[in-house]
Amino acid sequence: DAGITQSPRHKVTETGTPVTLRCHQTENHRYMYWYRQDPGHGLRLIHYSYGVKDTDKGEVSDGYSVSRSKTEDFLLTLESATSSQTSVYFCAIRSSGGDHYEQYFGPGTRLTVT
Amino acid sequence: KNQVEQSPQSLIILEGKNCTLQCNYTVSPFSNLRWYKQDTGRGPVSLTIMTFSENTKSNGRYTATLDADTKQSSLHITASQLSDSASYICVVSASGGSYIPTFGRGTSLIVHP
Repeated sequence: DAGITQSPRHKVTETGTPVTLRCHQTENHRYMYWYRQDPGHGLRLIHYSYGVKDTDKGEVSDGYSVSRSKTEDFLLTLESATSSQTSVYFCAIRSSGGDHYEQYFGPGTRLTVT
Repeated sequence: KNQVEQSPQSLIILEGKNCTLQCNYTVSPFSNLRWYKQDTGRGPVSLTIMTFSENTKSNGRYTATLDADTKQSSLHITASQLSDSASYICVVSASGGSYIPTFGRGTSLIVHP
């Protein structure tokens, strides 16, 4: 699992409330990613980070923000949760290794917005 | 636009049988292609990774092939087991840039006893 943990693992929240999901890694990888996974869509990139304080948007970034104040932690925030953000969220890291780099995923966070 | 298409969308086979999953991609310039296995309720786990110069890679009963000319890959599962029931995801990365891979939607495999 490349030392990736996500918290919380499950969360139920109400529409309009802020939510923060945390991804923590123990192996000092530079690249970290947040994905959401929904039936029929596969994994879609929300935001990614290529270093401390260096982040960029993915294909489904609207309604989400991220922060990375230290190498090991990458936070995903839903400023005002909506029902369309009900999903399973996965954090991932990219290992080094040229063209043979690997992407390792965390265990996921199941978020339900009611 | 980079795209990865997988087929079939779902597949049901009997334990002990073989099966082949397909992946077609339009990612360019090509860097690598990976196959992941995702069990229900868990994160994806890498099975194989192939670069341009590799056309076959095995991991136990899983064998992936790559035809970079036709931009096609396949994942062959031999002597299937009940534990092979999962979603199999094809992921293709372009070289250079920001290492943003393109994901297929996956093939859901169910192995029945």
